[in-house]
Amino acid sequence: AIVLNQSPSSIIASQGEKVTITCRASSSISSNYLHWYQQKPGAFPKLVIYSTSYRASGVPSRFSGSGSGTSYSFTISRVEAEDVATYYCQQGSSNPFTFGSGTKLEIK
Amino acid sequence: EIQLQESGPGLVKPSQSLSLTCSVTGYTITSGYDWSWIRKFPGNKMEWMGYISNSGSTNYNPSLKIRISITRDTSKNQFFLQLNSVTTEDTATYYCARGHYGYPFAYWGQGTLVTVSS
Repeated sequence: AIVLNQSPSSIIASQGEKVTITCRASSSISSNYLHWYQQKPGAFPKLVIYSTSYRASGVPSRFSGSGSGTSYSFTISRVEAEDVATYYCQQGSSNPFTFGSGTKLEIK
Repeated sequence: EIQLQESGPGLVKPSQSLSLTCSVTGYTITSGYDWSWIRKFPGNKMEWMGYISNSGSTNYNPSLKIRISITRDTSKNQFFLQLNSVTTEDTATYYCARGHYGYPFAYWGQGTLVTVSS
């Protein structure tokens, strides 16, 4: 199985700050099949970025993604209070589909 | 609008079977896509468990292959999870979700917490 090493495990940021999360895969992944989710407490995971860099419907432009091969990143250009959540990367390139370990974002 | 909703017992005893139902509205499960079960353990680890395709074929996570079964009732537009011989390590929030092969899980149920305890 492809292991996704996600870092950092937690971030404490100020509103307006830029934050970046990294997802490194144990084997190369097609960029079509690397996705990012946002999960707020008590809610289901919400798709934010699909196929590495495409924003899901209704997702603000401050969210972006990039990467290729084994290295991917997710960025919030200016963090807002509503962005408090845990973020996960997920690969669908190889069976079994796997998730990163999650990054918990908190606001100072 | 497509909606998914999980249902089933919230408490299961060790060694017994866990059975959950995902009811889908707004889309017919035989029309397309794959219908997955995903779980989130205490401590945030997420695990894809398997799916049943729109044609009825199944694909399971090898880590669960001897214990898991995903089936469906097309007349009720539902699909089901059965996980056998559960232990306390199967305590998790279970989600059903719609995807398609490697593409993202765009639609999810709200999730249901299942606790394995005697």
